[in-house]
Amino acid sequence: GQSLEQPSEVTAVEGAIVQINCTYQTSGFYGLSWYQQHDGGAPTFLSYNALDGLEETGRFSSFLSRSDSYGYLLLQELQMKDSASYFCAVRDRGSSASKIIFGSGTRLSIRP
Amino acid sequence: NAGVTQTPKFQVLKTGQSMTLQCAQDMNHNSMYWYRQDPGMGLRLIYYSASEGTTDKGEVPNGYNVSRLNKREFSLRLESAAPSQTSVYFCASSVAPPRDEQYFGPGTRLTVT
Repeated sequence: GQSLEQPSEVTAVEGAIVQINCTYQTSGFYGLSWYQQHDGGAPTFLSYNALDGLEETGRFSSFLSRSDSYGYLLLQELQMKDSASYFCAVRDRGSSASKIIFGSGTRLSIRP
Repeated sequence: NAGVTQTPKFQVLKTGQSMTLQCAQDMNHNSMYWYRQDPGMGLRLIYYSASEGTTDKGEVPNGYNVSRLNKREFSLRLESAAPSQTSVYFCASSVAPPRDEQYFGPGTRLTVT
């Protein structure tokens, strides 16, 4: 079956760099997505990786290694507003297009 | 351009009552989704609609029904609410898969007593 694993909590200092890892297990694979969710808010899309390598969007980058079934989200120059939960998600290349699985989320806390 | 809208924002139901959660998007997306999110948890897919006229079960469909009324609207119905359905419900839409760039509505906070 499908599963995703990511750390439940990460703490970092303002201005620093933090990496949030995600390992996945699927019977097939299209790509890995990342979403940010502030407390009480809705998830917002951050990035999508279908191919191996690093995708950069401003202070955020996302990496994928398909051979290792592993990806990470890298946040640089951390700001207090980056305190939020971060979710990885995969769509399984199964018989049903509805097989979308989200990880349980990593709560990022940033200290001044 | 409102994106994805959901109504209502909050709802309290008694066990056994029914209700319909409404969702609409104005981004001309083909795919729409309903998720539930329990405290401290990730999102779990309830139902999915790849295009107008089609729906498919997700991970946790029991106790729910959906209708894809047209390309814009996708509703979720609870026929007989149970306390286990207390959750935050999110609707989302996306351009056709496999690229999973989903846009979420603000959510409906449902409590079943």
